[in-house]
Amino acid sequence: GAVVSQHPSRVICKSGTSVKIECRSLDFQATTMFWYRQFPKQSLMLMATSNEGSKATYEQGVEKDKFLINHASLTLSTLTVTSAHPEDSSFYICSVPGGLAGGGDTQYFGPGTRLTVL
Amino acid sequence: KQEVTQIPAALSVPEGENLVLNCSFTDSAIYNLQWFRQDPGKGLTSLLLIQSSQREQTSGRLNASLDKSSGRSTLYIAASQPGDSATYLCAVYSPLLYFGTGTSLTVIP
Repeated sequence: GAVVSQHPSRVICKSGTSVKIECRSLDFQATTMFWYRQFPKQSLMLMATSNEGSKATYEQGVEKDKFLINHASLTLSTLTVTSAHPEDSSFYICSVPGGLAGGGDTQYFGPGTRLTVL
Repeated sequence: KQEVTQIPAALSVPEGENLVLNCSFTDSAIYNLQWFRQDPGKGLTSLLLIQSSQREQTSGRLNASLDKSSGRSTLYIAASQPGDSATYLCAVYSPLLYFGTGTSLTVIP
């Protein structure tokens, strides 16, 4: 099956700095990738849909200027948390659809990135 | 918007028991439903995927059923083991992936 990697797996930063998280699809090309956020003891929440070659689609309540998404190639999407604050501390996970979008395909998830903002 | 709920939120059982986790969703127009396992501080492991046209899927000690018309799915775990302790999440794909609130399972040796 598909393998999705994320880098870094864990990052600690000071408040006010920007952090970039990479999501790579290792087995196949992906025109779409998804970014999720999970706060402690809560379920995953979809943040945005990353579209190769075009702007990302953000879910309601997610600030697009704060969470910058770049899907520059068919195997790489990046999420940049700009001017991070302690409330941005969370577990960020990306996923890649395993087949044709909407065709009943599965999702392959990255291992996640634990962000801690001091 | 799709809403996914899981009951119970937490469950503690002695080793060897059979157990059922429940998942309900508000919009029956789904492409598929997946059950995931998440260990503390870790990512997701896909357990079972049920297509919208299917009624159930089985993998080892796990059996997942889907009743799309009523908006329900169950995950049945047979002969539970301490290693099954984790949080179990269901997610429906319609067309984005919406996650349930999760059930935290503890299997006591």
